[in-house]
Amino acid sequence: DVKVTQSSRYLVKRTGEKVFLECVQDMDHENMFWYRQDPGLGLRLIYFSYDVKMKEKGDIPEGYSVSREKKERFSLILESASTNQTSMYLCASTRRTGNSRANVLTFGAGSRLTVL
Amino acid sequence: AQSVAQPEDQVNVAEGNPLTVKCTYSVSGNPYLFWYVQYPNRGLQFLLKYITGDNLVKGSYGFEAEFNKSQTSFHLKKPSALVSDSALYFCAVRVSGNTPLVFGKGTRLSVIA
Repeated sequence: DVKVTQSSRYLVKRTGEKVFLECVQDMDHENMFWYRQDPGLGLRLIYFSYDVKMKEKGDIPEGYSVSREKKERFSLILESASTNQTSMYLCASTRRTGNSRANVLTFGAGSRLTVL
Repeated sequence: AQSVAQPEDQVNVAEGNPLTVKCTYSVSGNPYLFWYVQYPNRGLQFLLKYITGDNLVKGSYGFEAEFNKSQTSFHLKKPSALVSDSALYFCAVRVSGNTPLVFGKGTRLSVIA
């Protein structure tokens, strides 16, 4: 069974801390994404990556950065966590080949971050 | 810019009754449309997608969706709701190749026994 694994399901951090959220996929997917999910706001795209060492800003990149050193791993970094970054973070991946418009995203289980 | 709207934050339905979760889209071009479901404390799971062809698409768990180009809608339906269908449902759209999916805000479905 193909999987997207997010290493931390629940994290509690303090304001100003540096936070790393890790995501690993075992499907050899080229594309990886980080979304943030908040009640009433749905899913908002933070960053995405189409290849190793490549990154693209999504709709809400402020306060975040990412790292994609290996194809299977896509890390989201909060350089200095703030309370308004308390949220559910979802990682997803998809293949780039074929009819890319039709490709289905596979999601991880999510990482719920609380910043105090 | 492409977008989807889910006009209902919450839908309540009795078990055994048909259910509909609404989605409308706004795109320039031909849309590829998706439905995902999220159960409590889980990531999103793919339900079904419309690419082209037959306007009625069948997916997982007995769900189906109807693409209506004139009304720019892609409503999710199921003939007979189960309590286990209670979850958060997201509609999403993609127009250009290899671009990120754009999601709606989600609709919470509650099926009452």
